[in-house]
Amino acid sequence: GDSVTQMEGPVTLSEEAFLTINCTYTATGYPSLFWYVQYPGEGLQLLLKATKADDKGSNKGFEATYRKETTSFHLEKGSVQVSDSAVYFCASRGGYQKVTFGTGTKLQVIP
Amino acid sequence: DAGITQSPRHKVTETGTPVTLRCHQTENHRYMYWYRQDPGHGLRLIHYSYGVKDTDKGEVSDGYSVSRSKTEDFLLTLESATSSQTSVYFCAISEVRGNSNQPQHFGDGTRLSIL
Repeated sequence: GDSVTQMEGPVTLSEEAFLTINCTYTATGYPSLFWYVQYPGEGLQLLLKATKADDKGSNKGFEATYRKETTSFHLEKGSVQVSDSAVYFCASRGGYQKVTFGTGTKLQVIP
Repeated sequence: DAGITQSPRHKVTETGTPVTLRCHQTENHRYMYWYRQDPGHGLRLIHYSYGVKDTDKGEVSDGYSVSRSKTEDFLLTLESATSSQTSVYFCAISEVRGNSNQPQHFGDGTRLSIL
């Protein structure tokens, strides 16, 4: 079946550091790919998405590129802020009901 | 923000009691989902609905039932709660627009503790 693998957390960075959170997927066909962010006590919020190979999703300084050849969708940000501290989830969607989530990566940014 | 309301937000109950969680949406989206979130597991799908009275099982459906009598409401019921069902439960909704690239929108969750 489909699966999404994320790097283990927690990831601890100093403010203004470069962020990469790795995500790889296995799927039949060509899924759409998403990154969600979850702040404490809240539900998941869509951060960005990409729907086909070589698409780049971007939002709030975060970026991720859909790499079909490496089945990856790594999340990057050039300069993190304390307010970026949250849990980040990678997800793939291969159909109307078939959404597969990674286990989440907790990011902690220290001043 | 998508109009999704989960109730209650917190609940503590005892093993063996029935529990019903409610998800209400104001977006008129066709698809609704119930997930549970547990450390080390991410989000796991319990049940989903693709229309009024149309529901199907997810990967962890044992011990749970759902009902959808109106577009806006999706109920999750634990007929006889067990301690293994202590979790945070999230409702999500999604639109259908000809393909599968629409994201899901999530409620703020219900924290359920079963003693």
